[in-house]
Amino acid sequence: AQRVTQPEKLLSVFKGAPVELKCNYSYSGSPELFWYVQYSRQRLQLLLRHISRESIKGFTADLNKGETSFHLKKPFAQEEDSAMYYCALKSSGTYKYIFGTGTRLKVLA
Amino acid sequence: DVKVTQSSRYLVKRTGEKVFLECVQDMDHENMFWYRQDPGLGLRLIYFSYDVKMKEKGDIPEGYSVSREKKERFSLILESASTNQTSMYLCASSFPLDTQYFGPGTRLTVL
Repeated sequence: AQRVTQPEKLLSVFKGAPVELKCNYSYSGSPELFWYVQYSRQRLQLLLRHISRESIKGFTADLNKGETSFHLKKPFAQEEDSAMYYCALKSSGTYKYIFGTGTRLKVLA
Repeated sequence: DVKVTQSSRYLVKRTGEKVFLECVQDMDHENMFWYRQDPGLGLRLIYFSYDVKMKEKGDIPEGYSVSREKKERFSLILESASTNQTSMYLCASSFPLDTQYFGPGTRLTVL
């Protein structure tokens, strides 16, 4: 069965510390993977997608097919990074997205 | 800029009432989606539509129905609201095989 697992409900780090939000997936084919972010009182929005291989707001994520992971990383956390982060998987050739349960990141001053 | 709007930010209804949640997008997207967002459960897909009058069930369609009479509008209907349908409801739209754009959400409380 297709599944996205985000093991941490809450992650607290100090400003300037590295951040890694974990995402593991279960899918037999070639998935498309995304990170979405929801800042306080704002709508859910795309942060990055694995096929773009780009860095957005200092965040990167590498698809590791061997470990079936798509962890989100940033070397130096900022207070404005505090938000809810969702990892999502889209099966190739379908319209359906499967979201993880989300990780709330709190960056402490 | 893509605009996805939802008819209400907050809604309070009574058990047994029929509830309509409306979503409108202005980017001519073929695909539209309804999710519910609950703490600890993430986003769960209720229904999606890939064309006018076309719909498919998501992971939790029980107790819900949808309507898509026009390309830009996708409605979620709770035929008889129950307290376990108290939640945040998110609408999204996209071109096929492309990124989803989300609305601001409707927080529904069923008393």
